[in-house]
Amino acid sequence: GQSLEQPSEVTAVEGAIVQINCTYQTSGFYGLSWYQQHDGGAPTFLSYNALDGLEETGRFSSFLSRSDSYGYLLLQELQMKDSASYFCAARGNYGQNFVFGPGTRLSVLP
Amino acid sequence: NAGVTQTPKFRILKIGQSMTLQCTQDMNHNYMYWYRQDPGMGLKLIYYSVGAGITDKGEVPNGYNVSRSTTEDFPLRLELAAPSQTSVYFCASSRGGLGGNIQYFGAGTRLSVL
Repeated sequence: GQSLEQPSEVTAVEGAIVQINCTYQTSGFYGLSWYQQHDGGAPTFLSYNALDGLEETGRFSSFLSRSDSYGYLLLQELQMKDSASYFCAARGNYGQNFVFGPGTRLSVLP
Repeated sequence: NAGVTQTPKFRILKIGQSMTLQCTQDMNHNYMYWYRQDPGMGLKLIYYSVGAGITDKGEVPNGYNVSRSTTEDFPLRLELAAPSQTSVYFCASSRGGLGGNIQYFGAGTRLSVL
């Protein structure tokens, strides 16, 4: 089957750094995506890793290790507006579709 | 560009009724997807399409049907609505192929079946 695991909740304070982990089991794996979703909103794309290593996009970075079936999203200089749910999504089935993880709810405290 | 547009935004159905959720995109994307998201949960893939005339089942297809007659449109049909289909439905599109790593989502349709 195809499945992804990530922590259900993470809490951090403004200005801190937080890491959200994701492990996956996906057939025909192409890469790992990260999406942000605010309450009542639609998911929006943050980052994608096709190859092993770190991808940096502003305050957000994402890492992938194909050999460990593992990735993480790193959020730096946390702001209140970063309070949201974060989903990892594995692009699988040889690129045809995506399987989403259950989501990690991030709460940023003042 | 409008991106991915879903209609309606909200709908209440009675058990046994049918309806079609509309989804259209203006980005000329080949790949389109339908997801459902139950409260506090992740997105579950219902159906997807890799091009006009081609559709395939996702993780939770029972109770739903789709068609893809054009590149732009990917409607989702609910037949004989049941309370278990109460959810938020998201349509998404992506370019597909090696460069198709980003999914663009519509604003969602919030459906209640009572």
